[in-house]
Amino acid sequence: GQNIDQPTEMTATEGAIVQINCTYQTSGFNGLFWYQQHAGEAPTFLSYNVLDGLEEKGRFSSFLSRSKGYSYLLLKELQMKDSASYLCASMDSNYQLIWGAGTKLIIKP
Amino acid sequence: ETGVTQTPRHLVMGMTNKKSLKCEQHLGHNAMYWYKQSAKKPLELMFVYSLEERVENNSVPSRFSPECPNSSHLFLHLHTLQPEDSALYLCASSQEPGSGANVLTFGAGSRLTVL
Repeated sequence: GQNIDQPTEMTATEGAIVQINCTYQTSGFNGLFWYQQHAGEAPTFLSYNVLDGLEEKGRFSSFLSRSKGYSYLLLKELQMKDSASYLCASMDSNYQLIWGAGTKLIIKP
Repeated sequence: ETGVTQTPRHLVMGMTNKKSLKCEQHLGHNAMYWYKQSAKKPLELMFVYSLEERVENNSVPSRFSPECPNSSHLFLHLHTLQPEDSALYLCASSQEPGSGANVLTFGAGSRLTVL
């Protein structure tokens, strides 16, 4: 079956670095997405990886290893506004998104 | 307005009521989606419309009925719902369904409570 695993909840300190892991098993692979969702708001697109390696976008970076079925989202210089849920989704061979249940990130001062 | 707009933001209904959720996108996208989001569960894809034609219906109970009158508007008609249907219903749109870089733009959702 198809499956996405990510931690349910993580806590980090303002100014620090946090890495949110995601492992996936899908029928075929057409890319890995990360979305951010603040409480009561719409999920918003953060990153898309289809090739192995690290993609950096400001304070946020996303990494992909296709051979390991693994991705992570790295958040640097954490700010209070980064408190949100982070959703990992893998796109299968039919271009269907398979979603994880999301990781709730709590930032403490 | 820009982006994806959903109304109402909150809805409480009894099991015998009939109501509708509305979604409007101002992005010129070709595809629109309905997702169900329940606490601590993955997003569940309900329906997909591409160029106003339904292309996906993931075994959703018939008490949910979608309608896509044009490429900018999407409705979800609700009737005789069950308490377990209480959830956040998210609408999304995208430019390139069926491609790898198919980025979804979501609305803020309609929070539905069924009593």
